[in-house]
Amino acid sequence: ETGVTQSPTHLIKTRGQQVTLRCSSQSGHNTVSWYQQALGQGPQFIFQYYREEENGRGNFPPRFSGLQFPNYSSELNVNALELDDSALYLCASSAGIYNEQFFGPGTRLTVL
Amino acid sequence: AQKITQTQPGMFVQEKEAVTLDCTYDTSDPSYGLFWYKQPSSGEMIFLIYQGSYDQQNATEGRYSLNFQKARKSANLVISASQLGDSAMYFCAMREPTGTASKLTFGTGTRLQVTL
Repeated sequence: ETGVTQSPTHLIKTRGQQVTLRCSSQSGHNTVSWYQQALGQGPQFIFQYYREEENGRGNFPPRFSGLQFPNYSSELNVNALELDDSALYLCASSAGIYNEQFFGPGTRLTVL
Repeated sequence: AQKITQTQPGMFVQEKEAVTLDCTYDTSDPSYGLFWYKQPSSGEMIFLIYQGSYDQQNATEGRYSLNFQKARKSANLVISASQLGDSAMYFCAMREPTGTASKLTFGTGTRLQVTL
C-alpha cells in the first residue's frame, strides 16, 4: 500500500510568483487536507477536499486555492507569493472526513 | 484563545526512562478527538496515538500511552522506555468539525531530546 506522497520536496520562488504543490492520497482515501507549518509552529489548517469539492477552509486568503481530481489526488495553488508563505506544506489524506489523517512528507517552500 | 496548549517547548529524558509531554485543550463540542504526532527533522508527521472524547479507557499503543483527564481537559502523552530514536518534535492535536469539514488544530509542539 502506497502512502501519501507530495511533490516537489523543496521549492524556491520569488515574491509575486505562483506555485503549485501536488499530493497523491493513500489508496482508498477520498479526503485530502492541506496544512501550512511555519518554522517553529504547529501546522495550520488551510482547507479540506472531499470527493473533488472543497468542504472546509481555514483562515487563509483566496490566493490559496486547491483542486481535487477524480483519483483523489490534490493540488494546492498559491498566487502572488509573499515572504510569509515560506513554510512546510503538509498534505494529509483520510478514508473519510472524520477518519484518521495520514500525512505526507511535506513540501518545503522558500519565498525570496 | 489557544485551543491546544503545549507548555513545554523542550524536554530532556535519559534513555530507557519514561517521559510525559503535556497537552491541554479547549472545546465546547462534546464530540472531539485528540491525537499525538511525532515530527522528526525530515518533516513528516507520524501518527502515534488517538483518544476519542467518549472513550472510557486511556489509549495505549506500544510504548505510548495517553493520560486523558476529561474534566481537566488534558491529554498528556507518556512515552515509556525512551529510545534515542524518540528524539523529535511532538505535537498534540484536536480534531473538531468545522462546518462540513473536519480539521486538526495543533499545538506549538514540544521538542524531546533523548540522552544517553
